[in-house]
Amino acid sequence: DIPMTQSPSSLSASVGDKVTITCRAGQTVSSFLNWYQQKPGKAPRLLIYAVSNLHSGVPSRFSGSGSGTDFTLTISGLQPEDFATYYCQQTYTTYTFGQGTKLEIK
Amino acid sequence: QITLKEAGPTLVKPTQTLTLTCTFSGFSLSTSGVGVSWIRQPPGKALEWLAVIYWNDDKRYSPSLKSRLTITKDTSKSQVVLTMTNMDPVDTGTYYCAQQERYNWGRLVDWGQGTLVTVSS
Repeated sequence: DIPMTQSPSSLSASVGDKVTITCRAGQTVSSFLNWYQQKPGKAPRLLIYAVSNLHSGVPSRFSGSGSGTDFTLTISGLQPEDFATYYCQQTYTTYTFGQGTKLEIK
Repeated sequence: QITLKEAGPTLVKPTQTLTLTCTFSGFSLSTSGVGVSWIRQPPGKALEWLAVIYWNDDKRYSPSLKSRLTITKDTSKSQVVLTMTNMDPVDTGTYYCAQQERYNWGRLVDWGQGTLVTVSS
């Protein structure tokens, strides 16, 4: 297993803010890093794959970057519907998720 | 349109074996690169990937749960079955199946709604 560590575990922000969530892998995962958004009671939704590629229909305010072991998810101009929990996942070898980052309204 | 739906018992007793079925439509598990993964989520906790089966019958398991898991497919029925032995209360949670694209960075694009499994005597 490759451990995936997200930070922070939670954060508070306001509509219109820019926020960044980081994800660190215990060893290199190359570019096999995906991001998901999950709202309460719902299945996760794919946001970004291969570090920085936006999945179809995902707003351009979401972006991803990084390589190797360190990755970031940035949301520029938070919207009310963005308040959710975000997970990174490596698919380099088996497929571990990070522990999640809960984004709450300030 | 791709859909996936999980089915199985809502309540299992400790030490019993859990059998979950994922029935899907809109894609075929005989198509190169296609797989179906199982992921679970204890109440209020993080996602945990469990297992995947691919079109070519390649199977991968979470190392920490490998001894307890078996994943199989029935391509003709568009179903994937996950069995987990020796269930414990810590296995309580929502179990999801999702389509996995092996040749597209292993991304999980389409998910089922999830099924809640409670382990209790």
